[in-house]
Amino acid sequence: DQQVKQNSPSLSVQEGRISILNCDYTNSMFDYFLWYKKYPAEGPTFLISISSIKDKNEDGRFTVFLNKSAKHLSLHIVPSQPGDSAVYFCAASNTGNQFYFGTGTSLTVIP
Amino acid sequence: GAVVSQHPSRVICKSGTSVKIECRSLDFQATTMFWYRQFPKQSLMLMATSNEGSKATYEQGVEKDKFLINHASLTLSTLTVTSAHPEDSSFYICSAASGSISYEQYFGPGTRLTVT
Repeated sequence: DQQVKQNSPSLSVQEGRISILNCDYTNSMFDYFLWYKKYPAEGPTFLISISSIKDKNEDGRFTVFLNKSAKHLSLHIVPSQPGDSAVYFCAASNTGNQFYFGTGTSLTVIP
Repeated sequence: GAVVSQHPSRVICKSGTSVKIECRSLDFQATTMFWYRQFPKQSLMLMATSNEGSKATYEQGVEKDKFLINHASLTLSTLTVTSAHPEDSSFYICSAASGSISYEQYFGPGTRLTVT
């Protein structure tokens, strides 16, 4: 069964607004979470990560929130830009030896 | 939900030997499988794309004679690292896609390769 789930396959947002991408996981042993961004015909690139000892990590326009009790994390992008249009994957890891990825959310930022 | 497995999850081999990594789609037919290598800064590098029954398409800079990819069935793809060297030590991840929507990829948990 999928241990990491992204239930929204697509999301459209107006430029300048906030994009919120969600991710749920089932394994309470996961201790590290990552977000990847992927353009067509390219491999995913690392975007931002968060350790389970934190509940928030911010890097410029990108902020990841972790709610361990709900086994939920989210990626906020604000303000959204057209160049942010891509597929976003969340991933979770236990000890760093294995990573479990979600199925991706395709974000479209409308100019 | 769709599940992709990889075997082994971790392997240590000696320099000069070959290592095979399997990627299986457990509950769906994967028309396309992707092989990635994860580098220290966490980015995943796409190595090759394989379609069942045909030769894999390698990304630029990836040696196809060194990283042999076989996609013999709709549920199995293998990556063989031939004559492994310490610089091949890395984390290899496969993903599988079942349909025409390219972003619906299901990733395996990865294989940690250490070459001594």
